[in-house]
Amino acid sequence: NAGVTQTPKFQVLKTGQSMTLQCAQDMNHEYMSWYRQDPGMGLRLIHYSVGAGITDQGEVPNGYNVSRSTTEDFPLRLLSAAPSQTSVYFCASSYNSGGWVYTEAFFGQGTRLTVV
Amino acid sequence: AQTVTQSQPEMSVQEAETVTLSCTYDTSESDYYLFWYKQPPSRQMILVIRQEAYKQQNATENRFSVNFQKAAKSFSLKISDSQLGDAAMYFCAYRRWEQGGSEKLVFGKGTKLTVNP
Repeated sequence: NAGVTQTPKFQVLKTGQSMTLQCAQDMNHEYMSWYRQDPGMGLRLIHYSVGAGITDQGEVPNGYNVSRSTTEDFPLRLLSAAPSQTSVYFCASSYNSGGWVYTEAFFGQGTRLTVV
Repeated sequence: AQTVTQSQPEMSVQEAETVTLSCTYDTSESDYYLFWYKQPPSRQMILVIRQEAYKQQNATENRFSVNFQKAAKSFSLKISDSQLGDAAMYFCAYRRWEQGGSEKLVFGKGTKLTVNP
């Protein structure tokens, strides 16, 4: 069972370049999200989706776009990379156990992105 | 804004001993989930334990247990019989429900745990 798969694991970009971080899950989870992790800051929510066709902004959405055309995939697009976007990016998915709250997040292995 | 606070940036423990990591959170909700995640040097985020706020009984998972004090909004993690493999960053997280049906998982800034042989 693959779980949450992120690609690539490492990436170096030049300032101004664009790229897409891929995220796929095979657990049929409704909820998917993207976080960035910076030293001393914990994980901060960038964007999230509660189902195909539905996305919303998190805490730090500027400079990033997302879309959710299928339940499985939730790509994160950097429109014009900046050095401030150097970070480790995590994709995660969650399921609703039948109540009103989604349970724990299942994380991908992360992408270390460096913008020079 | 609702927050999660981990007041200990770093902790250390001797192998085989017990250590407690602290976490407090701010919420006006009555129903929510709390989690502890472990992040070893491999970078993978691993769920250690979870607690549902409506359950009074503290969650346990083998050597890991929590002390959940709902009124005090405190959620500490106790690691018993510490092992070298427990060395990692530990993140406390709170999942809240927001009006309109959105869902957000809020993380503390983490505690780096060192296990000394």
